[in-house]
Amino acid sequence: AQTVTQSQPEMSVQEAETVTLSCTYDTSENNYYLFWYKQPPSRQMILVIRQEAYKQQNATENRFSVNFQKAAKSFSLKISDSQLGDTAMYFCAFTLYNNNDMRFGAGTRLTVKP
Amino acid sequence: DGGITQSPKYLFRKEGQNVTLSCEQNLNHDAMYWYRQDPGQGLRLIYYSQIVNDFQKGDIAEGYSVSREKKESFPLTVTSAQKNPTAFYLCATTYDRGPRNTEAFFGQGTRLTVV
Repeated sequence: AQTVTQSQPEMSVQEAETVTLSCTYDTSENNYYLFWYKQPPSRQMILVIRQEAYKQQNATENRFSVNFQKAAKSFSLKISDSQLGDTAMYFCAFTLYNNNDMRFGAGTRLTVKP
Repeated sequence: DGGITQSPKYLFRKEGQNVTLSCEQNLNHDAMYWYRQDPGQGLRLIYYSQIVNDFQKGDIAEGYSVSREKKESFPLTVTSAQKNPTAFYLCATTYDRGPRNTEAFFGQGTRLTVV
């Protein structure tokens, strides 16, 4: 089975600064999707960004971008110009291209400080 | 409005009782999932279903059961065999498998407490 590892249980950043959250995964497959989800205090899960493994270009969504290193099986999330509303749990997730077995990491609790 | 509805939001259960958590979706998504969320452990997959009348065990299926009699519904029963059922439970859906696979959509969760 595929596994997802987030090695940073908690992180903090000053408002307007940049922070990077780490994620590594393990799979023997070549085609898959990777995601970052945000879970604010309301506990509603929200998609932040997604990356298809066959695309070499790193995905970007406004202030959020990823550094996808397929050979290293690494998928980090960079948040630029951090805002107070970015305070949340962030989960890295993995799913195979032709399978609906979605797997999540343990999460990183991010606190943005004013 | 399209979405995923989990009910109830809070649920209390006495030890030894079975309890069923509801998950309904009107997104016309094929796949549905149940996750358990505990502090420090992220989301762990309990069961998932890709089509009606079919479902697969996840990593922590023991003590749980599911059914998928219709596309819109994927109820989860927490049985008395589940030794530590107190947790936050999330239901999710995805559109399809393969090239059209998209991100998961989540319900708002059910907090189950054993008293």
